[in-house]
Amino acid sequence: AQSVAQPEDQVNVAEGNPLTVKCTYSVSGNPYLFWYVQYPNRGLQFLLKYITGDNLVKGSYGFEAEFNKSQTSFHLKKPSALVSDSALYFCAVRDLRDSNYQLIWGAGTKLIIKP
Amino acid sequence: KAGVTQTPRYLIKTRGQQVTLSCSPISGHRSVSWYQQTPGQGLQFLFEYFSETQRNKGNFPGRFSGRQFSNSRSEMNVSTLELGDSALYLCASSLQGQDQETQYFGPGTRLLVL
Repeated sequence: AQSVAQPEDQVNVAEGNPLTVKCTYSVSGNPYLFWYVQYPNRGLQFLLKYITGDNLVKGSYGFEAEFNKSQTSFHLKKPSALVSDSALYFCAVRDLRDSNYQLIWGAGTKLIIKP
Repeated sequence: KAGVTQTPRYLIKTRGQQVTLSCSPISGHRSVSWYQQTPGQGLQFLFEYFSETQRNKGNFPGRFSGRQFSNSRSEMNVSTLELGDSALYLCASSLQGQDQETQYFGPGTRLLVL
């Protein structure tokens, strides 16, 4: 069965430090992977996605994610955190073998950047 | 282009009532997906509509239903409301579907069931 895990409910980082939000997945075929961000009282916004190609994907607001097939991970990273990055981050995956085209969502990780 | 819009933004209902939520996708987008977001359960997929047909359905009871019109606008209906239906309901649109395409989310409708 397909699944995606965000092992940390919350991540705390000091402003200016690098940040990592973890995501691991389980699919039977090749994955499509996504990261979305949700600011308070807002809908989700797309950050980046991995479909194929380079394992390092660059996205919006200076975020990037590295697809690691052997570790089945797709961690979100940023070299220098901003207070404005504080938000809820969701990882999502779709199994290419799943004809239902359904995305499976992680539970979300709350990122807190402290000044 | 205008973004995804959802109406109403806030709604208060009592148990047993029914509610209809509306979603207008980005112009040209044919796929609309609905999600329920709660603090305890996270983001849960309700259903996806594409060209007026339900293409996907999550694990929700039959009280939750939806439809899509020829202009791609979508409505979601919840009948016989329960306290546990209190949540933020998000709608997302994409050109062809959620399989590999970016979804664009609306701001959500916050439903409170008393």
